[in-house]
Amino acid sequence: DTGVSQDPRHKITKRGQNVTFRCDPISEHNRLYWYRQTLGQGPEFLTYFQNEAQLEKSRLLSDRFSAERPKGSFSTLEIQRTEQGDSAMYLCASSPQGQDNYEQYFGPGTRLTVT
Amino acid sequence: GQQLNQSPQSMFIQEGEDVSMNCTSSSIFNTWLWYKQEPGEGPVLLIALYKAGELTSNGRLTAQFGISRKDSFLNISASIPSDVGIYFCAGYSPTGTASKLTFGTGTRLQVTL
Repeated sequence: DTGVSQDPRHKITKRGQNVTFRCDPISEHNRLYWYRQTLGQGPEFLTYFQNEAQLEKSRLLSDRFSAERPKGSFSTLEIQRTEQGDSAMYLCASSPQGQDNYEQYFGPGTRLTVT
Repeated sequence: GQQLNQSPQSMFIQEGEDVSMNCTSSSIFNTWLWYKQEPGEGPVLLIALYKAGELTSNGRLTAQFGISRKDSFLNISASIPSDVGIYFCAGYSPTGTASKLTFGTGTRLQVTL
């Protein structure tokens, strides 16, 4: 299977703990995106990487959130001092390089529950 | 953040019926994408539209990029039980960055036998 993979699929944590999620994009895709989706809503953009460079961050991405893509392949999203409002599905997507190619392919997501 | 408006919010139809849903925006978009999401999974790309007026099919699915560039439509013909899920439109705005997809509010489809 060469699709986008995410790990873990589910994470339950206590408020105040730190969590880290991993995303492995489709191998030939150089663009990687993180989204957050809450119940009953569509995904909301968090951040975007082209290769290892983080080119855009949403205002939704507070100081407690940090994302990295150190070698331009997999990416991690860390949430520090989690709050109950952080409970959501965190989705990763990737797309190939190409000026006219805007098709993003999503992974299965990581469901975070903060208790 | 900005979200696109989708209608209807939910639909209950019988197997074999055709389905129509739409997505509207107050501003123009230069690319429209349609996704389907099932419970506990990520969205799956169904159709991509790049030009105003474009009509594209993928099996029983047909989508159109509205002439005004402010709307898009998705039709599903002869629905089957596996069509159940939430359908999202998503788009790129020419005033936004090339990276950021804006998603609609979703249309939940239920198919009864």
